[in-house]
Amino acid sequence: KNEVEQSPQNLTAQEGEFITINCSYSVGISALHWLQQHPGGGIVSLFMLSSGKKKHGRLIATINIQEKHSSLHITASHPRDSAVYICAVRLDFGNEKLTFGTGTRLTIIP
Amino acid sequence: GAVVSQHPSWVICKSGTSVKIECRSLDFQATTMFWYRQFPKQSLMLMATSNEGSKATYEQGVEKDKFLINHASLTLSTLTVTSAHPEDSSFYICSARDRRAGANVLTFGAGSRLTVL
Repeated sequence: KNEVEQSPQNLTAQEGEFITINCSYSVGISALHWLQQHPGGGIVSLFMLSSGKKKHGRLIATINIQEKHSSLHITASHPRDSAVYICAVRLDFGNEKLTFGTGTRLTIIP
Repeated sequence: GAVVSQHPSWVICKSGTSVKIECRSLDFQATTMFWYRQFPKQSLMLMATSNEGSKATYEQGVEKDKFLINHASLTLSTLTVTSAHPEDSSFYICSARDRRAGANVLTFGAGSRLTVL
């Protein structure tokens, strides 16, 4: 079983819809990252969380340490949000290694 | 913001040849860089941790003699795929963390797509 599980694996939605992508992990972590990978392969780090909630533009990320769960929300989704969203966890403080989820492929239809 | 430049973005080579991929932090120093590999439709897998001035730390199952990593300066790490074979065809990507005051940003290179014929 992967230490980091994401759901759904694939998500197709209409433009404007509210999007939620979930990430569950089975071990204690020091931080969780949400990453965005576009079709060309380039990866952008969206958020790094260790507790609570962060917001950047139309993106919101939350984490519940007790439940070992994080969500990434996209409000007013747009076709340019189409990408693979990857959850990655850092297990140890002072250790930069990341363990990655399998990703969620999001497609926003105009 | 922090920028990591990765070169080349794509490369095609013949089986048996070696390919070098460079990862540079353009506006910050990175004592540690990470090399990942991603096969189609799969997630990233950490290959090794590149440490400036010392030997890289390889993940289990990654052959250090095949994937040579050199981190000779605070801004440059290189990954050399030696005697490449078709099964080495993959997307290779590096990352580094900008630890300057007020930053703490994880930045990825744009990736290098390797095709071995």
